[in-house]
Amino acid sequence: KNQVEQSPQSLIILEGKNCTLQCNYTVSPFSNLRWYKQDTGRGPVSLTIMTFSENTKSNGRYTATLDADTKQSSLHITASQLSDSASYICVVSAKSYGGSQGNLIFGKGTKLSVKP
Amino acid sequence: EAGVTQSPTHLIKTRGQQATLRCSPISGHTSVYWYQQALGLGLQFLLWYDEGEERNRGNFPPRFSGRQFPNYSSELNVNALELEDSALYLCASRWGGLANTGELFFGEGSRLTVL
Repeated sequence: KNQVEQSPQSLIILEGKNCTLQCNYTVSPFSNLRWYKQDTGRGPVSLTIMTFSENTKSNGRYTATLDADTKQSSLHITASQLSDSASYICVVSAKSYGGSQGNLIFGKGTKLSVKP
Repeated sequence: EAGVTQSPTHLIKTRGQQATLRCSPISGHTSVYWYQQALGLGLQFLLWYDEGEERNRGNFPPRFSGRQFPNYSSELNVNALELEDSALYLCASRWGGLANTGELFFGEGSRLTVL
């Protein structure tokens, strides 16, 4: 069964600190993995996309990694800011569609709170 | 270029009524997805339309339905509203094709409140 599990469920950190969010998946056949940021009450916005051959990709203070062998991805946030407070969602695309989510399988997200 | 637009932004209904939500995808995008997000929870897949056809639906009762128009805009209908239908409904679009794995672009959502 195609699944995406994210951890932790929620996280509180102080402004300026770093943090790492985890995403484990069992999606097959794998196409790509995206991290989205969702501010409260807003639509998600894509941060990075990882394909099978990519190990690391950065977008400003956000760095995503992918280990296709262990089917794990992480999102590292450096020098956190108050505006980083949001939910971070891991979305894995399968090469074929079907199942209860089509070919896009969403994790439940990690809710990050950055405190001053 | 305009992003995905959804209307209305907010909608208040009472139990048993019907709600209609609308979505205009990014120009050129032919695939439209609908998601439900209850307060504090993750996104739940509702429906996927591509080239005017319903390609897949999530684990929701038949009173959730929709359609995609020839201009690729889409409508989500929820009949016989129940209190637990209160949620943020998000629409997303991307380039079409059943095998497409391109980025999803989300709208800002429609907040439905059922009293």
